[in-house]
Amino acid sequence: DVQLLESGGALVQPGGSLRLSCAASGSTFTNFAMSWVRQAPGKGLEWVSGISGSGDNTYYADSVKGRFTISRDKSNNMVYLQMDSLRVEDTAIYYCTKDRSPWEVGLIPFDIWGQGTKVTVSS
Amino acid sequence: ATQMTQSPSSLSASVGDRVTITCRASQGIRNELGWLQQKPGKAPKLLIYAASSLQSGVPSRFSGSGSGTDFTLTISSLQPEDFATYYCLQDYNYPRTFGQGTKVEIK
Repeated sequence: DVQLLESGGALVQPGGSLRLSCAASGSTFTNFAMSWVRQAPGKGLEWVSGISGSGDNTYYADSVKGRFTISRDKSNNMVYLQMDSLRVEDTAIYYCTKDRSPWEVGLIPFDIWGQGTKVTVSS
Repeated sequence: ATQMTQSPSSLSASVGDRVTITCRASQGIRNELGWLQQKPGKAPKLLIYAASSLQSGVPSRFSGSGSGTDFTLTISSLQPEDFATYYCLQDYNYPRTFGQGTKVEIK
């Protein structure tokens, strides 16, 4: 069975940086698009960023564009989220999840999720 | 960005009730919509994909319908384990967008 495991969450000061990691195990995720989704305390789900299977295409929510960078290491089945210039409002649990690229007709997106990693931005 | 308007934001229902949640997209998204369930402290769980396809392992009391801009999630007979928050999510384009969520509570 495919599993996703996030890590890297921590307490960080406003303006600081953090890198989240998502490790895929149980199968090869080399060709799957992936996304990061977050949930602030007591709030709903917010999509943050996505990356195509090849890594050539990346996508961002307006709220993080220019501050966050998504990347992947296909050889190690890893996806990363580099978060810079962190703000208090970035405080959330961050989940990685399997997505699909527009041309992947028939692939089921968002069927696999990690357990989440907690990011707290506070002074 | 495609806006997803979900309603209601919360509802109270009894075990055995039929429950309907709706989601409206600000533009046509074909059938590229999913429904997810989330329980407190847990990751979301996919219930429905492609608007009406039941995800493997999900009870048949859950069903989805719609295409274009208007979508519905129906629980035919609410069970105790169904009390949770439900979200729609469009995967038609980027940025992906969620509905605001519907909290289903016990009456």
